[in-house]
Amino acid sequence: DAGITQSPRHKVTETGTPVTLRCHQTENHRYMYWYRQDPGHGLRLIHYSYGVKDTDKGEVSDGYSVSRSKTEDFLLTLESATSSQTSVYFCAISAGTQETQYFGPGTRLLVL
Amino acid sequence: AQKVTQAQTEISVVEKEDVTLDCVYETRDTTYYLFWYKQPPSGELVFLIRRNSFDEQNEISGRYSWNFQKSTSSFNFTITASQVVDSAVYFCALSEAGAQKLVFGQGTRLTINP
Repeated sequence: DAGITQSPRHKVTETGTPVTLRCHQTENHRYMYWYRQDPGHGLRLIHYSYGVKDTDKGEVSDGYSVSRSKTEDFLLTLESATSSQTSVYFCAISAGTQETQYFGPGTRLLVL
Repeated sequence: AQKVTQAQTEISVVEKEDVTLDCVYETRDTTYYLFWYKQPPSGELVFLIRRNSFDEQNEISGRYSWNFQKSTSSFNFTITASQVVDSAVYFCALSEAGAQKLVFGQGTRLTINP
């Protein structure tokens, strides 16, 4: 199994509060990704990183920011959580752009 | 634009039956990669297979087999002699060469009844 952990695994928060999700890897992979999973949509890319301090937007990036100050950590921040951001968030890693992405266990977020 | 369609939302079969999960994709690239992932009830995403667009050979791994046909833009997944442990949501995904993201289908929920 790929060494990927996500924290927290579950979180309940209120609308308007900031939330930060953490993804940690032990594989030293260059690429890291944040996806969200919603019924009827499969998984959709929020942001990705191709190296320390190198990040870019995915298809559903509005309302989210990311940071990567170390190879092993990729943070996803909801600056002001909204109910539409209630979802399951998955982190993924890959060794290269054409390589297989391996996923973390997911974080279930509920915004009330 | 990339798109993946899994038309079967839910499938329910009795144990030991064979079952095929359909995946149809759209892409303008000649170089791309196709994937299948399994999401069991516990929620994690498990990688099953990766295929590149230049390799149309079918693949078999135990009870699992995959049929890749570029002529019909399909990458179907067959489970032979299904077992209760195969119950899961299965996702097909596409990645174009140089693209940073996987594009997922909506998933097929497979239920194997004892």
